[in-house]
Amino acid sequence: EDKVVQSPLSLVVHEGDTVTLNCSYEVTNFRSLLWYKQEKKAPTFLFMLTSSGIEKKSGRLSSILDKKELFSILNITATQTGDSAVYLCAVGPNNAGNMLTFGGGTRLMVKP
Amino acid sequence: GAGVSQSPSNKVTEKGKDVELRCDPISGHTALYWYRQSLGQGLEFLIYFQGNSAPDKSGLPSDRFSAERTGGSVSTLTIQRTQQEDSAVYLCASSLKHGGAIYSNQPQHFGDGTRLSIL
Repeated sequence: EDKVVQSPLSLVVHEGDTVTLNCSYEVTNFRSLLWYKQEKKAPTFLFMLTSSGIEKKSGRLSSILDKKELFSILNITATQTGDSAVYLCAVGPNNAGNMLTFGGGTRLMVKP
Repeated sequence: GAGVSQSPSNKVTEKGKDVELRCDPISGHTALYWYRQSLGQGLEFLIYFQGNSAPDKSGLPSDRFSAERTGGSVSTLTIQRTQQEDSAVYLCASSLKHGGAIYSNQPQHFGDGTRLSIL
């Protein structure tokens, strides 16, 4: 059974801090790993990673994948209160369906 | 519309009643997915539609759950004889078509979900 584990479960930081969120996975047929940000309702897409060692970056957020060690990290630098959310990691298989297996999420709270 | 649209946003119903949840995917997206997010849990895959192909129902938790997608666009998820454990947020996602033998990497985009509460 495919499995995605995120850590930490929750995290409280102050504005300006840098955070690293972790995602490890076990899947039988890996194709891609995705990060989403979920505030109140819809998870919003952040990154899709398919290749090891290539950093994806968007503003203060960046992410990298290690397919040998089966994990990914999501970094947020200079955190702001608007970064407070649940960050979800999901893994997609290499088949036509691409049904995602999600981790339990990391709840990040950024205090002013 | 610009994004995935789901209705209703909230639904409260009594145990034993049937409910219907609706999803309108992003225009042009032929792949549509239903997920369920229970309190404190990660998202759990329910069912997948791709174009006119038979849906993948492998994630449906029981035969009380069914879904259809008419005309390759709007989808409805139906839960019959609801139970309290069905209470959750039901999320719909859509993505661009996966092309032929080469599975393209297209991210899924989610709607705001329907929060279902069974009393």
